[in-house]
Amino acid sequence: EAGVTQFPSHSVIEKGQTVTLRCDPISGHDNLYWYRRVMGKEIKFLLHFVKESKQDESGMPNNRFLAERTGGTYSTLKVQPAELEDSGVYFCASSQDQWETQYFGPGTRLLVL
Amino acid sequence: QKEVEQDPGPLSVPEGAIVSLNCTYSNSAFQYFMWYRQYSRKGPELLMYTYSSGNKEDGRFTAQVDKSSKYISLFIRDSQPSDSATYLCAMGDLEGATNKLIFGTGTLLAVQP
Repeated sequence: EAGVTQFPSHSVIEKGQTVTLRCDPISGHDNLYWYRRVMGKEIKFLLHFVKESKQDESGMPNNRFLAERTGGTYSTLKVQPAELEDSGVYFCASSQDQWETQYFGPGTRLLVL
Repeated sequence: QKEVEQDPGPLSVPEGAIVSLNCTYSNSAFQYFMWYRQYSRKGPELLMYTYSSGNKEDGRFTAQVDKSSKYISLFIRDSQPSDSATYLCAMGDLEGATNKLIFGTGTLLAVQP
């Protein structure tokens, strides 16, 4: 069974540009989470999808971040326009039921110059 | 004040040593506790999961939770070089609308052969 996959693995962009991160959860997992780790800090929750619906987006930093999960399968996280402080590692996780184990992807390393 | 405090290390031990990793937390609503292991350039991988105070053992790993002191520990017996990784504690509550995990900053462990 394939795990959670994320694309791209790395992205280097300039301030003001747009970047879109993609997450493919484990097949059959209705719950999809985005987390972020900025350098030197802890991994922090961004938002939670149940199928295509946003269950909780309380961790989204500001309106430059837009997450979608059309069709309830893969999800995208778009940052527009990117700022220097958006640099970090963006993790996606999925679980079958909400209160079950979250399986993490390898992360996308984003560097905004 | 952070909700979860974890010593970032690094912690260096000789092969075969017993390793003790710890986290403290401030939110008494936390009801479940996890330890994740993260190898370099990989996503976090769940090691141990517990709901209650007390000890839970799995092979060389023992997770300990003391809710009265808001303190959790992970013990690794007979540590191996392959245990070298970052260890993240994470926790959550069952009362919210979403299963968002609150992480510590992680402790970097190096087991020297």
